[in-house]
Amino acid sequence: GQSLEQPSEVTAVEGAIVQINCTYQTSGFYGLSWYQQHDGGAPTFLSYNALDGLEETGRFSSFLSRSDSYGYLLLQELQMKDSASYFCAVLSNSNSGYALNFGKGTSLLVTP
Amino acid sequence: DTEVTQTPKHLVMGMTNKKSLKCEQHMGHRAMYWYKQKAKKPPELMFVYSYEKLSINESVPSRFSPECPNSSLLNLHLHALQPEDSALYLCASSHGRDLNYEQYFGPGTRLTVT
Repeated sequence: GQSLEQPSEVTAVEGAIVQINCTYQTSGFYGLSWYQQHDGGAPTFLSYNALDGLEETGRFSSFLSRSDSYGYLLLQELQMKDSASYFCAVLSNSNSGYALNFGKGTSLLVTP
Repeated sequence: DTEVTQTPKHLVMGMTNKKSLKCEQHMGHRAMYWYKQKAKKPPELMFVYSYEKLSINESVPSRFSPECPNSSLLNLHLHALQPEDSALYLCASSHGRDLNYEQYFGPGTRLTVT
């Protein structure tokens, strides 16, 4: 089976840096995606890591360690609009093909 | 056009009703998905279509019936639903079925079953 673990809630101050961790157990692992979802909104794709290391996209960076089955999303220079839920999602391949399996999500609250 | 559209935005239906949810994308994507999302929970995959053919059905009850009339449209037909089926139903698309780590989601249909 598959399992993903990420913190349920994180609170941080505007302008700060926050890291959201994700650990996973899965077979047929291909990569780790991150999605952002504001309340009442649609999930939107943030990043994808297939190889070990850090990927940077503006204020957001994502890291993967395949040997540790671990990744994180790093948000810098936090803004109020970053308050949202963040989901890590494992891309894996099975007999029925590629599938994206979402973690339970981390609710990020950015305070003034 | 990088948008996935869904109609209706809200739907209230009784347990004996038949209704349909509609999803449309014009990005040339060849894979389309239906997800169910309960409040404060992650999206749960229901169905996957690849090149208009159903490739994954995640053991969804038969009261949910998907249809992919063409490469741009995806429908979800609903019949005899239960109150526990009340949720946000999200449609998504991706370039292809393989390595579909980047999926584009529509805004969802918020369904209430009374």
